[in-house]
Amino acid sequence: GAGVSQSPSNKVTEKGKDVELRCDPISGHTALYWYRQSLGQGLEFLIYFQGNSAPDKSGLPSDRFSAERTGGSVSTLTIQRTQQEDSAVYLCASSPTGVGTDTQYFGPGTRLTVL
Amino acid sequence: GDSVTQMEGPVTLSEEAFLTINCTYTATGYPSLFWYVQYPGEGLQLLLKATKADDKGSNKGFEATYRKETTSFHLEKGSVQVSDSAVYFCALTAGAQKLVFGQGTRLTINP
Repeated sequence: GAGVSQSPSNKVTEKGKDVELRCDPISGHTALYWYRQSLGQGLEFLIYFQGNSAPDKSGLPSDRFSAERTGGSVSTLTIQRTQQEDSAVYLCASSPTGVGTDTQYFGPGTRLTVL
Repeated sequence: GDSVTQMEGPVTLSEEAFLTINCTYTATGYPSLFWYVQYPGEGLQLLLKATKADDKGSNKGFEATYRKETTSFHLEKGSVQVSDSAVYFCALTAGAQKLVFGQGTRLTINP
C-alpha cells in the first residue's frame, strides 16, 4: 500500500516567514512522529501523536514550533518566524500502534531552507 | 537520558569485505533496538530490529544481536556489495515511543 507521504518536498523561505509542512501517514496507523535531520544535530525527535493527541512534545525546540493532527490522520508542523537554524530536513514517520516495539515507517522528508 | 553511540565514520571497504558497525546504548528499562538505513537520495528505512535480549535481527544479509550484558547491537554482514553503500543509523525506543538515534555511519563500498 501507500507509504508515508510529505509535502512539499522542498521549501525555501525567507527568515521571519511562517511555514507549514504536511504529513500523510500510512492508513490505519494511530501513531505519528516528527523528526528533524540536520548536519550538526543528526536525527532529533520533535513530537509524537497518538490519534489526535500529542502526549510527547518534548523535542519541539521552541514555542515557534507547533503541530497538530486531525481525524487521526494528516498532521501539519508549523514553524513561525523561521530562523536560519531551522534549516533541516523534516521527517515524518508513522507506526501501527505506537508501542516501542513497533517499526516506524518514514516519509521522504521536507527539505527546509531558510535564507 | 537514553542515548546511542555509533562507530565514527566514514567507513570505506572493498566489495566482498566483512562489515562491522559498532553500536552501544544507554537506556532505562528494556529498550527495543533498530538499525535504519538511508540509501543515497532515498528516505530512511528499517533494516532490522530486535525487541528483547539475545534476539537476532536479520535482513538482506545483515545481522545484529541484542546483547544486554554489553549494551550493544553491532551490525554485521559477511560480504558487502557496492549496493550497500549508504548511511546506517542505530536507534532505540525505551519506555517512550520516540526513536533515539546514533549519529549515523556513512559506508562506502568500492568495486
